[in-house]
Amino acid sequence: EAGVVQSPRYKIIEKKQPVAFWCNPISGHNTLYWYRQNLGQGPELLIRYENEEAVDDSQLPKDRFSAERLKGVDSTLKIQPAELGDSAVYLCASSLEGRTSGVEETQYFGPGTRLLVL
Amino acid sequence: GQQVMQIPQYQHVQEGEDFTTYCNSSTTLSNIQWYKQRPGGHPVFLIQLVKSGEVKKQKRLTFQFGEAKKNSSLHITATQTTDVGTYFCAGRRDSNYQLIWGAGTKLIIKP
Repeated sequence: EAGVVQSPRYKIIEKKQPVAFWCNPISGHNTLYWYRQNLGQGPELLIRYENEEAVDDSQLPKDRFSAERLKGVDSTLKIQPAELGDSAVYLCASSLEGRTSGVEETQYFGPGTRLLVL
Repeated sequence: GQQVMQIPQYQHVQEGEDFTTYCNSSTTLSNIQWYKQRPGGHPVFLIQLVKSGEVKKQKRLTFQFGEAKKNSSLHITATQTTDVGTYFCAGRRDSNYQLIWGAGTKLIIKP
């Protein structure tokens, strides 16, 4: 079974340019996460989807970041315009979660997109 | 807001020595997960602890969840070069089900 797929793997852009990242979660996983990870730090949650609904976007900088998961499967994260401080690795993860299902809530991560803003 | 503090930030050990990382939360957690991230890689799930006082073992790794469900630890016995990486804890909040990540502990094997 394929894991979480992300593209592109690397992206270099100039500041003020737009950029988009794509994620295809593991088949059947209802929950999808976007994280940002700076060097030497832990993942920072940007947004969490349950199916097509964004259930937690409290840490998403909404002035420049947007995300969508229209059909409850794959997802896109966009930054417009990018700033120097946005340079980081953007990780997508998926899981099969349910508060009463008893399913172990393992998050499976994709390889990430390494963004460099010049 | 709620935080999960993880210490130490780095630990240098000789191969064969033990390694321990600790996580502490300001509030009670419904569960805690542990992940390992190799250099240049992405986090990989290790284990989830749910019950108060729970202890789980995976070969040389021992995971504990505190009685109050506010702290957790990961202990590696007799480290090997394959253990190198950063170990993260991630605690689940009861209130909104949010997963709060620690900053990670980087395990470095001295040459």
